Amino acid sequence: DIQMTQSPSSLSASVGDRVTITCRASQSITYYLNWYQQRPGKAPNLLIYAASSLQRGVPSRFSGSGSGTDFTLTISSLQPEDFATYYCQQMYSSPHTFGGGTKVEIK
Amino acid sequence: EVQLVQSGAEVKKPGESLNISCKASGYFFTSYWIGWVRQMPGKGLEWMGIIYPGDSDTRYSPSFQGQVTMSADKSLSTAYLQWSSLKASDTAIYYCATPDVPATVGPLLHWGQGTQVTVSS
Repeated sequence: DIQMTQSPSSLSASVGDRVTITCRASQSITYYLNWYQQRPGKAPNLLIYAASSLQRGVPSRFSGSGSGTDFTLTISSLQPEDFATYYCQQMYSSPHTFGGGTKVEIK
Repeated sequence: EVQLVQSGAEVKKPGESLNISCKASGYFFTSYWIGWVRQMPGKGLEWMGIIYPGDSDTRYSPSFQGQVTMSADKSLSTAYLQWSSLKASDTAIYYCATPDVPATVGPLLHWGQGTQVTVSS
């Protein structure tokens, strides 16, 4: 199985901050990387697919980059509704493993 | 509008069997893969596997192979996740989800609301 490692596991930030979350794959997954947001008590929500493509309806402050083994999710200006947990997922090979998650909390 | 509506919360005892469901509407059920994702209490997301209702082609994560059974009923546009003998460690929220591209194992765009399964003696 491909292992997905996210860092940090949690972070504290303020509204308006720029936030970057990293995801590393245990082998190359080219660009088969998705990012999801999960708010407490809710189902996950797809933000980014194919490493850098913004899902329709997702605010443009979210962006993704990377290829191969190293990827980042950036929130350019954190908004109150962005406090949530973020997960990366690889779809290069089955099983389509998720990272451990990054919890973004209010400072 | 695509909707996935999952069955309600379940409380079971160890050793019991269970079948939870995910009813799809708003799209051609047989043309889209449906995935299942587990979330144990306070933990992250785990990909369990996917099923293509059109021909019941199923791919399990090795972690869940032999532990659960995925199936689909085309006539009811419903996918199922089944256990023959539950364990306390099966306590979790289970989500079904589907991509928005037909016949493609793609990113999971549409999600059910989740089914809480609690296994306790």
